[in-house]
Amino acid sequence: DQQVKQNSPSLSVQEGRISILNCDYTNSMFDYFLWYKKYPAEGPTFLISISSIKDKNEDGRFTVFLNKSAKHLSLHIVPSQPGDSAVYFCAAKTYGSGNTGKLIFGQGTTLQVKP
Amino acid sequence: NAGVTQTPKFRILKIGQSMTLQCAQDMNHNYMYWYRQDPGMGLKLIYYSVGAGITDKGEVPNGYNVSRSTTEDFPLRLELAAPSQTSVYFCASSWRGGVGGEQYFGPGTRLTVT
Repeated sequence: DQQVKQNSPSLSVQEGRISILNCDYTNSMFDYFLWYKKYPAEGPTFLISISSIKDKNEDGRFTVFLNKSAKHLSLHIVPSQPGDSAVYFCAAKTYGSGNTGKLIFGQGTTLQVKP
Repeated sequence: NAGVTQTPKFRILKIGQSMTLQCAQDMNHNYMYWYRQDPGMGLKLIYYSVGAGITDKGEVPNGYNVSRSTTEDFPLRLELAAPSQTSVYFCASSWRGGVGGEQYFGPGTRLTVT
C-alpha cells in the first residue's frame, strides 16, 4: 500500500519557468511533510517542509503548498535553474505517535531543467 | 563536521555471504535510520533507533539486523545475503523525531548480491 505517491516519474521544464512537482497521500494521520532533493550518487538532502497546520511555506525560490482536504501537496520552484535538475522525493510522517520521526517516501520525480 | 558517513561506498556479495554496513554521525543526533532504495522507487525504512541501546523495525526489516551501542554509530548487518537485497542503502540521522527533525543522509552504499 503506497501511502505517499508521486504519480509523475519525470518532468522537464525550461530554465526560468516554474516547476511544479506533485505528491498525494492516503494516510490522514500524516501531519508533517517534507521535500528532499537527490543528485546521482549522493544521499537525499532536505529542501523544505510544511506542517499540517499550514497551507503554504516559502523558502526562497521554493514554495510548498498543502491541501489537506485533497490530501495533496505540491512543490513550486520559481524560477527553475539547471542546477535544480535532480530527483525530488516527497515524504510524510506522523509526529503524534511516539515521535519516532519515521518517514514514508514517495517514488520520486526526476526534474530536468533545460538551459 | 563530517555529518553522516557510510562505508563502504560499493560492495559485491555472493549469495549467502554476510556483511556489515557502517554508519556514523558526528552531530550528536539521537535518532538514526536505515533506508534502502530500489531502482525507480522511493526510500523504504529498514530499521531505526531513537537513542543508544534502542532500536526498532521499519517497513522492510527482514534479512537485516542492527545495533546501537553508541550515539555515533548505527551499523546494519546483512545475514545470508539474497539477490533481493541488491539496493542502495542510506543511513540518516536527526536531532529529534517530531516537527523540525529533518533527517540528514549519508552518501549511500551500493550493494549488489549475485
